[in-house]
Amino acid sequence: QKEVEQNSGPLSVPEGAIASLNCTYSDRGSQSFFWYRQYSGKSPELIMSIYSNGDKEDGRFTAQLNKASQYVSLLIRDSQPSDSATYLCAVLGSSASKIIFGSGTRLSIRP
Amino acid sequence: DVKVTQSSRYLVKRTGEKVFLECVQDMDHENMFWYRQDPGLGLRLIYFSYDVKMKEKGDIPEGYSVSREKKERFSLILESASTNQTSMYLCASSLQVPDYTEAFFGQGTRLTVV
Repeated sequence: QKEVEQNSGPLSVPEGAIASLNCTYSDRGSQSFFWYRQYSGKSPELIMSIYSNGDKEDGRFTAQLNKASQYVSLLIRDSQPSDSATYLCAVLGSSASKIIFGSGTRLSIRP
Repeated sequence: DVKVTQSSRYLVKRTGEKVFLECVQDMDHENMFWYRQDPGLGLRLIYFSYDVKMKEKGDIPEGYSVSREKKERFSLILESASTNQTSMYLCASSLQVPDYTEAFFGQGTRLTVV
C-alpha cells in the first residue's frame, strides 16, 4: 500500500462547477497535510495546508480532513480553466521529519 | 519571499559521470529535501536533511548521496550516472517548528543521462 494515494485522473470538470480531489494516507500518526498545485513544466506550489479535523476554506478552495478515516480532500468551487493542473496531496508523517507526496491527480477544466 | 534556487534548469550528462545538483535557499530553513519526479510516480523522496551535516535517506536513496556543509546549501550527488536516473529533480526547503510549515520548491533540474 502506498503511503499517500490519489486517483491519477484525469478528472474533467466543466467550468463553474465544483472539482473534488481526494487523498488517503496510511500513517495514522500523520500530523500535517498539504495540497500543492503543479502546472506542466513548473514546480509544485502550495495552495492549502490543514492540520486538524474539519474544513478549512481559503477563497475558492476548501480542504477537508478526517483523521479517523485517514482521508483528505480538496474542493475547488467555481472552477476556472486556470485551475487545470496536477494536484499533489502531501502528508507529514508521524516521524515529523519528511513529507510524502501522492502521485497527483490531473484536473482538466473544460470551458 | 522564500527563494529556493537550483543551479541548473537542464542538464545532459553521460553514463558513468559524477553529477552534482546544487540547491540554495535564502530563508534560513532547517529542513532541505531532494525529490525526483517521474510521470505516473509523483514526487519520490531521495534524501533529506534537518541540520547541517545531518542527512537521512528517503524512499529511493540508491545511487545517490548528499552533502550539506552549510545551512543554506544542499547538494545531490549521482556517483555514477545511469540512464534510469534521467528525471526531473526538485529541491525543497522548510522550517522545522512544532507547527510544521510547507515545503517551498526550487524550479527543478531536468537531468538527461545519455
